[in-house]
Amino acid sequence: GAVVSQHPSWVICKSGTSVKIECRSLDFQATTMFWYRQFPKQSLMLMATSNEGSKATYEQGVEKDKFLINHASLTLSTLTVTSAHPEDSSFYICSARTGYTHEQYFGPGTRLTVT
Amino acid sequence: DQQVKQNSPSLSVQEGRISILNCDYTNSMFDYFLWYKKYPAEGPTFLISISSIKDKNEDGRFTVFLNKSAKHLSLHIVPSQPGDSAVYFCAARVQGAQKLVFGQGTRLTINP
Repeated sequence: GAVVSQHPSWVICKSGTSVKIECRSLDFQATTMFWYRQFPKQSLMLMATSNEGSKATYEQGVEKDKFLINHASLTLSTLTVTSAHPEDSSFYICSARTGYTHEQYFGPGTRLTVT
Repeated sequence: DQQVKQNSPSLSVQEGRISILNCDYTNSMFDYFLWYKKYPAEGPTFLISISSIKDKNEDGRFTVFLNKSAKHLSLHIVPSQPGDSAVYFCAARVQGAQKLVFGQGTRLTINP
């Protein structure tokens, strides 16, 4: 149980284009989903928290107009990187939790490379 | 302000011996602590957790100890196996909050 998937697992896009990453909870309903970013050999950096049907709460320093988050259902959240630049290249990971547990369950991550 | 610290970036242990990973925190409002394991290019996998009202939680080869007075927790893995080689993150949650605060991670290598 508690499986979270992400799609795509890796994506290459050109600078200036937008790319959408999907995060799905496969066997549970996720009241809350989180988006993280990880740079090489560094810890997980929380970007935003989203509750189903509500606007996402972004961490300080994260541009909400650049990283668009939608959590339209209890099993799906999307992160859209708009007008991507090479510095947006990173490993993006989502996680999800139900309203009944403390644990977050993570997806496998998406490697984004902007050329 | 690093509220959760894993001061050892790496640890090497012989197969079959005990691995002890440490984590220190500064925020006394943390009420729940978790350990995650991460392989390269994959998402973290939940291992074990502990509430602040407890001082020990055990699950198979994994045991987490919490010392609230010292603001310190540790993860014990015994016996260590080659498949345990990964990066381990400790995380903590502020009471009433949704998000987790992660440490920097410790890379564990199990040598045969």
